[in-house]
Amino acid sequence: QQQVKQSPQSLIVQKGGISIINCAYENTAFDYFPWYQQFPGKGPALLIAIRPDVSEKKEGRFTISFNKSAKQFSLHIMDSQPGDSATYFCAARLRGQNFVFGPGTRLSVLP
Amino acid sequence: DTGVSQDPRHKITKRGQNVTFRCDPISEHNRLYWYRQTLGQGPEFLTYFQNEAQLEKSRLLSDRFSAERPKGSFSTLEIQRTEQGDSAMYLCASSLAGGVDGYTFGSGTRLTVV
Repeated sequence: QQQVKQSPQSLIVQKGGISIINCAYENTAFDYFPWYQQFPGKGPALLIAIRPDVSEKKEGRFTISFNKSAKQFSLHIMDSQPGDSATYFCAARLRGQNFVFGPGTRLSVLP
Repeated sequence: DTGVSQDPRHKITKRGQNVTFRCDPISEHNRLYWYRQTLGQGPEFLTYFQNEAQLEKSRLLSDRFSAERPKGSFSTLEIQRTEQGDSAMYLCASSLAGGVDGYTFGSGTRLTVV
């Protein structure tokens, strides 16, 4: 019940395309859902986050869609660029405690 | 303040040796977390501190692991009698208790046990 499932494991997208990564959770006590971006050799960096009382949040080319009833949320990267090539992790926080991370999606954006 | 700093960046050690890693959080952050990340996986929670108090430890944190945060500033993570299975990236993160944002992670310490 503490797990966060993430798909796909890897994703290849052409430059300018839309990248979509999906996550699902079971525990309704999660209260905060961030996405992290990680480049090789670096720690994860916070990209965008959402709370369960909001259905969508957009920041530049990055959008989170949140479906509370389905316990699912997704990251959409519009106009994907080669510089977006990285591993993306969804995460969920249990009411002010530590985060549980998904297994990650390796995104490759082809030039 | 340039963010969360971790030292060393890389550590190669022989099996059975002890290793210690250091983390310097963002100065105004009172919470400090340690995570472990293996290749192809997401970070897994190990332990966290609020100020100098260690508030939670994961079952992943065996008796060979110990973490400290004296004076509520920097933290150290020690692994005694290292095993090959300890090879991983050890990530430190910090945040404000009750803060609305997620963590700020450091760049990690890559441990290789040979």
